[in-house]
Amino acid sequence: KQEVTQIPAALSVPEGENLVLNCSFTDSAIYNLQWFRQDPGKGLTSLLLIQSSQREQTSGRLNASLDKSSGRSTLYIAASQPGDSATYLCAVSKYDKIIFGKGTRLHILP
Amino acid sequence: EAGVTQFPSHSVIEKGQTVTLRCDPISGHDNLYWYRRVMGKEIKFLLHFVKESKQDESGMPNNRFLAERTGGTYSTLKVQPAELEDSGVYFCASSRLRADTQYFGPGTRLTVL
Repeated sequence: KQEVTQIPAALSVPEGENLVLNCSFTDSAIYNLQWFRQDPGKGLTSLLLIQSSQREQTSGRLNASLDKSSGRSTLYIAASQPGDSATYLCAVSKYDKIIFGKGTRLHILP
Repeated sequence: EAGVTQFPSHSVIEKGQTVTLRCDPISGHDNLYWYRRVMGKEIKFLLHFVKESKQDESGMPNNRFLAERTGGTYSTLKVQPAELEDSGVYFCASSRLRADTQYFGPGTRLTVL
């Protein structure tokens, strides 16, 4: 049974710092891995999607890596801003079904 | 292009009552998914429609939950009778193709008192 774990559960960092969020999953037979952002009262926004054959994806200040063999992914956020404060969810899919981690609550201190 | 919409945004009901949640997917998306997040837990898959057919309902918790997608457009999720443990946020997502990017709605926050 696939399980997704995110560490840390919560993180506070000063504005401007670079940071890394970690995700691990137990079953390496995945179709893809996504990082989502969730703001309070809002839906989920897909930030980056990495196909199982890929190693990383980049979008602006965000970079996500995938090491399928070790069951790990990291989300790197460069030059953090207060607007980055949100919950970040890691999720893996095996075809249709998405399996989520509990998320990391990120707070960027102005 | 309009995104996935869900109605209502919030619902507060008493234990034993019935509640119906609605999801309107992005136009042209044949695939529709329901997920939910209960307090302190991760978001979990409930079921997947392809057009009007249930493709996978392995995540439905019990027979108090009934999902429909008549006509292959919008979907409803009915909880009858509601129990306290049903409280949480119910998300809907849609995709054009199977295994394609899923676009999520804002969720319906259900509180059962």
